[in-house]
Parts: sequence; C-alpha cells; structure tokens
Amino acid sequence: NAGVTQTPKFRILKIGQSMTLQCTQDMNHNYMYWYRQDPGMGLKLIYYSVGAGITDKGEVPNGYNVSRSTTEDFPLRLELAAPSQTSVYFCASSYPGTAFKYYEQYFGPGTRLTVT
Amino acid sequence: DAKTTQPTSMDCAEGRAANLPCNHSTISGNEYVYWYRQIHSQGPQYIIHGLKNNETNEMASLIITEDRKSSTLILPHATLRDTAVYYCIVRGTGNQFYFGTGTSLTVIP
Repeated sequence: NAGVTQTPKFRILKIGQSMTLQCTQDMNHNYMYWYRQDPGMGLKLIYYSVGAGITDKGEVPNGYNVSRSTTEDFPLRLELAAPSQTSVYFCASSYPGTAFKYYEQYFGPGTRLTVT
Repeated sequence: DAKTTQPTSMDCAEGRAANLPCNHSTISGNEYVYWYRQIHSQGPQYIIHGLKNNETNEMASLIITEDRKSSTLILPHATLRDTAVYYCIVRGTGNQFYFGTGTSLTVIP
C-alpha cells in the first residue's frame, strides 16, 4: 500500500491565484482529514469527511473548499490565495470511529505552500 | 471541548527513559487519550492511545491517572531518532482532534 499520498510537495502561489491540493489514500478508509500547520505551531483541522459525499468544517475552514466524490480522494481547493494561507498542509485518513473512540490517523507527507 | 496542556520542551539522555506528561483535566469519562509524534516536518505518526488502563506497545507505554485528568507517555530507552514533537490529544467536538503545540523532545547523545 502507498498509504496517503499528496501532490504537489511544494508550491508557490501569487495572491489571488487558485489551486487544488490533491490527497489520495489506498487503505479504504472512510474518514479523511485536511490539516494546516503554521511554523512552530500544532496542526489545525480545516475540513474532514466521514465518507463519500459527506464533508464538514473543522476549526479553520475559511478560504478553503473540499469535495469527496470517492472513498479514495479528498481534494482541498484554495480559491483566492492569501499570504495567511502560507502553511504546510497535511492530509490524513482513518477507519471510522465511534462516539468516543477514534482509530489512528495515517498522514501524508504534506504540501508546503507559499503565497506571495 | 477537551483540551490538553503539555510542557513546551524537554531533554532526555540517550538510552534513558523519556517521560512526557500531559494534563487533560476536562476529559469526559469515555474519551480516549491519543499520542502522536512529528519528526522534523513529516506528517504526524500515531504512537498509542488509551482510555483508563495503562497501555503498552512496541513504541511506548501510556500511563493514565486514576482520575484520568493526566497521563504520561513513556519511551523506555530513548534514541536519537526519538527526537520529535509529541502531541497529546483528546477528542474535540464532532470528529475533530486538537493537536495543540505539543512537547518538543530532544534526545541528547
């Protein structure tokens, strides 16, 4: 298994440009997540999905959009890039949890995005 | 939302046990405690989780206090490759995890 793969690894955007960060997992996980990590900080959840066709906002969703048309893919869309979106973006996936227990999340290698 | 408090940084001598504390005083009775670590700028890696009882796996041991308000992750024989940021996590609202800023562990030769 390749696990969780993310593309691209690096990207530089100009202010106002748009782009899609790709995330794919081959573990047949229902749950998928997008996090961002600013320098020296912990991860913050942007969006998550509990299955194809179902997405929900996390802690910091403004400026982003997601879709989940298949179990394997969970792309993250930036419509109008701003310098505040300069960050490292991590995608993760996991098996479904219950109300109190969550299974381990498997993370991709990250996409390093700079907006200038 | 249940949140955690961890020391910002710790040092540990190579070969010694590393004990990383975490306070989670607002945890509810059925919520699990999870530990992840992040080496350099890689994606976080799952280490261990627990509810009430102490847990051990090939990577670490997790000790949870009886009142569940705090826990300690133990790396029994720290190596240089264990230098990383360690996150103690409990569930937030819905399906969300709050990673916080974690503890930066430096293993010293």
